[in-house]
Amino acid sequence: AQTVTQSQPEMSVQEAETVTLSCTYDTSESNYYLFWYKQPPSRQMILVIRQEAYKQQNATENRFSVNFQKAAKSFSLKISDSQLGDTAMYFCAFMTPSGNTGKLIFGQGTTLQVKP
Amino acid sequence: DSGVTQTPKHLITATGQRVTLRCSPRSGDLSVYWYQQSLDQGLQFLIQYYNGEERAKGNILERFSAQQFPDLHSELNLSSLELGDSALYFCASNSGTGYGGYTFGSGTRLTVV
Repeated sequence: AQTVTQSQPEMSVQEAETVTLSCTYDTSESNYYLFWYKQPPSRQMILVIRQEAYKQQNATENRFSVNFQKAAKSFSLKISDSQLGDTAMYFCAFMTPSGNTGKLIFGQGTTLQVKP
Repeated sequence: DSGVTQTPKHLITATGQRVTLRCSPRSGDLSVYWYQQSLDQGLQFLIQYYNGEERAKGNILERFSAQQFPDLHSELNLSSLELGDSALYFCASNSGTGYGGYTFGSGTRLTVV
């Protein structure tokens, strides 16, 4: 079975500092996609960043970047220059394309609090 | 506005009742996915439809059913409701492959009393 594990239920960081959220996954597939979603208190699910497994280069979106270690099946999210608006629950998700399915499998989430 | 519309936003109902949650996908998206998020938990995949056909099924209870209509909107029907069914129900859509990620609706908060 494919699983996603986020081992840090809660984290906190001071405003303007850097924080890294961990995620590991388990799969026997070679082609897959990884995502980080943000869920602020509004509960809206917002895509933060995505990574294709066949790409060695780590994805970057402004202050958000990932460290993708395929052999270790690790996909961590680094948030630089943390802002108060980054306070949210962050979910790591995994997807293997298979025909027209491709459901997302989510981890349990990490609650991040950015402190002023 | 993400482009995925879910109604209603909030729903309070009694145990044993039946409710219908509605989702209109983003324009052009053929796939609709339903997820359940219980309090402070991750999202559990329930079911996926692609262009009107069921494509994948997750941990969906027999009391729950769904369908996707010709205009691509989808409905999730929950019957014989129990207290444990209280959760946030999300609908998400994509073009069909999921490669670009999913676009989520704002969810329906269901409270069973």
